[in-house]
Amino acid sequence: DVKVTQSSRYLVKRTGEKVFLECVQDMDHENMFWYRQDPGLGLRLIYFSYDVKMKEKGDIPEGYSVSREKKERFSLILESASTNQTSMYLCASSLLQVHYGYTFGSGTRLTVV
Amino acid sequence: GEDVEQSLFLSVREGDSSVINCTYTDSSSTYLYWYKQEPGAGLQLLTYIFSNMDMKQDQRLTVLLNKKDKHLSLRIADTQTGDSAIYFCAESIRDNNNDMRFGAGTRLTVKP
Repeated sequence: DVKVTQSSRYLVKRTGEKVFLECVQDMDHENMFWYRQDPGLGLRLIYFSYDVKMKEKGDIPEGYSVSREKKERFSLILESASTNQTSMYLCASSLLQVHYGYTFGSGTRLTVV
Repeated sequence: GEDVEQSLFLSVREGDSSVINCTYTDSSSTYLYWYKQEPGAGLQLLTYIFSNMDMKQDQRLTVLLNKKDKHLSLRIADTQTGDSAIYFCAESIRDNNNDMRFGAGTRLTVKP
C-alpha cells in the first residue's frame, strides 16, 4: 500500500523553538507539498518541491523553510515557532503531472505554547 | 474571485442524497477533484473529472461539471453515516497542471 508518512501525529512546542516536521513517501513521486489546514480556511500551500534540492514558495511561506535532500523526503522547518503557527500540517505527494491527484499523509497537529 | 468556494456545512438524513457544491476560479483548469477527509486523517482522493466532461459516475458518487458557470458538484446517493466527513473541492492550476487550489471544505453530517 503506497504511503505518505508524517513522522508525528501530535507535537507541542514552545514559542521560539526550531521545529522540524518530516514527511516521507514511498511512491517515487516527483512532487511534494506542505499545506496547513485551519478551520474555515481550508488548505493553504506553504511550500512545494518538484525535484531534489528544488523548492518553491506557496501562498504562505513566511516563517517557514523546507529541505528536500532526497527524493522521498520533504521536511518543513519552523525556524522560530510562534503561536500563530498552531495548526494541522499536511504533507502530500504526486507524480510530476498531477492528473491522478495528490496522496496525503495523516497530518501533524502542532500546538505552539 | 481567487477562492474556490464551498458551503461550510451540510446535514442530511441517512438514506437521503447529499449534494455538495463548489465554485472554482480558473476556467482553464484541466482537472477538478473531490477529496474526503475523515476525522483525524489526511485527505483521500474520491474522484476527479476532466474538464471536457459534463458528468462522471462512480458507484454512489456522481460529479457534475458546468464549465460555463465554473460550478462543480458531488452527489452522494443513499448517504450513510460512514460518509460523514469533510469534502474538499480542488482545481488544478498553473500552466503545467502540477499544483492545486483547494476549497475550505464542506463538513457533511449524516443523521441516523
